[in-house]
Amino acid sequence: GQNIDQPTEMTATEGAIVQINCTYQTSGFNGLFWYQQHAGEAPTFLSYNVLDGLEEKGRFSSFLSRSKGYSYLLLKELQMKDSASYLCALQKTGYKLSFGAGTTVTVRA
Amino acid sequence: DVKVTQSSRYLVKRTGEEVFLECVQDMDHENMFWYRQDPGLGLRLIYFSYDVKMKEKGDIPEGYSVSREKKERFSLILESASTNQTSMYLCASSRAIGTRNGNTEAFFGQGTRLTVV
Repeated sequence: GQNIDQPTEMTATEGAIVQINCTYQTSGFNGLFWYQQHAGEAPTFLSYNVLDGLEEKGRFSSFLSRSKGYSYLLLKELQMKDSASYLCALQKTGYKLSFGAGTTVTVRA
Repeated sequence: DVKVTQSSRYLVKRTGEEVFLECVQDMDHENMFWYRQDPGLGLRLIYFSYDVKMKEKGDIPEGYSVSREKKERFSLILESASTNQTSMYLCASSRAIGTRNGNTEAFFGQGTRLTVV
């Protein structure tokens, strides 16, 4: 596999900011995805990074550094509905996605 | 609204039974995938298909086979179910050609929770 590592769990307060890190060891890939998965539901697409740098989409931003083997997902102005698992995934050739184990984020009032 | 539909949300089967999991997508996507999701392990790719009648093994194909006779349908087959195949199974599809920056996001079905007893 791609040895994709994410923290298992994170807890934050409503209105705060949380950063979910994703590190990986692989020789090459097309791009890096972040997905959100609420309990009992399907994963849904959040963001995609193909070049190094920051991609911003409203309250969510994702960053990629290929040279450092590192990405993060930044969630701002946390809301209760953001409590979910966040999955980091690498896309290699053939459009196959390899996923990390996911980070469960719990937002507390 | 785009949709990937899996035939069952919950299934209970006996050891040794043949199990068919069906997946249909209405987006005319070329690529289709089967993953299983287990606590602490994340999503692991079982098989994927990039065209009708074409298939490739993923990371954990042992004990599984697939069928893609039509573009919109991708079936996962457990020829002789075992207890270690108890899991959540997720089907996904994606287009072959990405958007301007190459984004070929995958759309997932709701999942089938299979229990083998």
